[in-house]
Amino acid sequence: EPEVTQTPSHQVTQMGQEVILRCVPISNHLYFYWYRQILGQKVEFLVSFYNNEISEKSEIFDDQFSVERPDGSNFTLKIRSTKLEDSAMYFCASTPSRETQYFGPGTRLLVL
Amino acid sequence: GESVGLHLPTLSVQEGDNSIINCAYSNSASDYFIWYKQESGKGPQFIIDIRSNMDKRQGQRVTVLLNKTVKHLSLQIAATQPGDSAVYFCAEKGNFGNEKLTFGTGTRLTIIP
Repeated sequence: EPEVTQTPSHQVTQMGQEVILRCVPISNHLYFYWYRQILGQKVEFLVSFYNNEISEKSEIFDDQFSVERPDGSNFTLKIRSTKLEDSAMYFCASTPSRETQYFGPGTRLLVL
Repeated sequence: GESVGLHLPTLSVQEGDNSIINCAYSNSASDYFIWYKQESGKGPQFIIDIRSNMDKRQGQRVTVLLNKTVKHLSLQIAATQPGDSAVYFCAEKGNFGNEKLTFGTGTRLTIIP
């Protein structure tokens, strides 16, 4: 069964550094998403992406964040200058139909 | 503002018994709801969904009930197994092109052997 994959599984970085989190959505899906989950809290929406542009973003998704689909398979989330409060699990999700979203296993980001 | 909340943060059930996990939502415009299961260190796993034009949907050992009058969603798991132990989230999606899922805070279900 096709799955969303994410790399790396864990990322440790220094405050102020740039990180890029990578996702490979399910191949026939057209809508892509990033969510994050701070430890012990609920999953929060960051951004949705369709047809090579952002379709919706949350207040969390400020100028430090950007997304890109550089080729036909990858979907990336970049944080330009990480802050301590960016430490969280970051989940990528995809869907063919704007309904059921299928999530990847996540990248655990730790900012020191 | 819109929110999705859960009534109980933890629930313990004897193996083999049925469990019911509840969820309240506040956005009456939401038209699609999903239950996800999250095991430790993993991403949310789709369990079952329901559209707002339905009040019940059944899957394998799971049933979702939607009561739009009181804005309440529940997940019933029949004949629970140890592998059902996880955190369960309800999520809602608005209509009119709203893309995001709004998640509740989660209920931790523990199956007692």
